[in-house]
Amino acid sequence: KAGVTQTPRYLIKTRGQQVTLSCSPISGHRSVSWYQQTPGQGLQFLFEYFSETQRNKGNFPGRFSGRQFSNSRSEMNVSTLELGDSALYLCASTPDSRQGSYNEQFFGPGTRLTVL
Amino acid sequence: TQLLEQSPQFLSIQEGENLTVYCNSSSVFSSLQWYRQEPGEGPVLLVTVVTGGEVKKLKRLTFQFGDARKDSSLHITAAQPGDTGLYLCAGAIIGKNSGGSNYKLTFGKGTLLTVNP
Repeated sequence: KAGVTQTPRYLIKTRGQQVTLSCSPISGHRSVSWYQQTPGQGLQFLFEYFSETQRNKGNFPGRFSGRQFSNSRSEMNVSTLELGDSALYLCASTPDSRQGSYNEQFFGPGTRLTVL
Repeated sequence: TQLLEQSPQFLSIQEGENLTVYCNSSSVFSSLQWYRQEPGEGPVLLVTVVTGGEVKKLKRLTFQFGDARKDSSLHITAAQPGDTGLYLCAGAIIGKNSGGSNYKLTFGKGTLLTVNP
């Protein structure tokens, strides 16, 4: 099976612009989660989508949004970029969880966003 | 808000040495996972522990989940340069909603391990 893919791998934007990142999960995985990783804050959960519905949400401002398509591919959008949005954005997909069990998250390589 | 503290933050050792890194929280987790992340890559799952007191071994790596399911440790025996990376622990709380069982992972900030040849 192909792993989780994220595009683009690197992106440079300027303050005030908006950006859209894309994630293709492993085939058959319906859950897609997004994380922001910075040296100071570590990995922080943004949101999770399952079957085109946002199922969980972290504590990020409304400038961060996402969506999921019927083929489970997901996009996240950041509007009005700020310098502090510079980070590695990671996407992870998970197979459907069975009752009472936990399934591992498979991470993509991330998109490195630099805001100038 | 659950908070996972990892220590030490940085660790630099020589090949062949043993080491232990820790993951502590005041919260109880349904399960706890350890990941390793190499530069330019996403984290890769090493192990999941779910039972208080559980010990799992993966070759030279030994993982332990605390009895109260609030803390965990990772011990590496005879470290090798290939063990270099960022080690992350993540605690999971399993909840339920209309979409069925789901979970939310809280990550620690990680321990950056460097093993020198």
